[in-house]
Amino acid sequence: KAGVTQTPRYLIKTRGQQVTLSCSPISGHRSVSWYQQTPGQGLQFLFEYFSETQRNKGNFPGRFSGRQFSNSRSEMNVSTLELGDSALYLCASSYDTEAFFGQGTRLTVV
Amino acid sequence: AQSVTQLGSHVSVSEGALVLLRCNYSSSVPPYLFWYVQYPNQGLQLLLKYTTGATLVKGINGFEAEFKKSETSFHLTKPSAHMSDAAEYFCAVSLAGGTSYGKLTFGQGTILTVHP
Repeated sequence: KAGVTQTPRYLIKTRGQQVTLSCSPISGHRSVSWYQQTPGQGLQFLFEYFSETQRNKGNFPGRFSGRQFSNSRSEMNVSTLELGDSALYLCASSYDTEAFFGQGTRLTVV
Repeated sequence: AQSVTQLGSHVSVSEGALVLLRCNYSSSVPPYLFWYVQYPNQGLQLLLKYTTGATLVKGINGFEAEFKKSETSFHLTKPSAHMSDAAEYFCAVSLAGGTSYGKLTFGQGTILTVHP
């Protein structure tokens, strides 16, 4: 069974640009969550989608948004990038009580 | 709301020694508790979880943890450390049942160093 796939693995963007990250969950998993990981703030929950609906949301500004498609694949978008958005963005697909994480997308904003 | 505190951002042990990583949680409702491990530039791998039932849970790679409700703790142990255990470990909590298992609250992490 394939794991959670995140693309791209690495990304460099300029301040003010926008970026879209992609996550393909494990087959059959309908819940997809996104997390931001930084050295200073640690792992922080961004949002969770279940069957194309946002089910939970963390405390991030509106520049961070997401969506989920009918095949459960999810995208996360960050608009007007700031230097502080540089982080490892992790996607997790969940089934029952377990969350399975992808390898992450390392975003660097310059 | 729930929160997780991991005591000790760095823990160093000798190969073959006991590993003890501490985790305390705060939750207004019964929690689900997890330990994850992260190797450099990798995602998170689930080591073990507590949901209901037996309070002593065994996970992969010889790790185990005990849920102690009275102490609001979920400490991770391994009897004998191996060099390959060197990594960062995260304790996490989610709310039991309902629609919250996709939302994890993590501790700040503990970096485990294993010396030869």
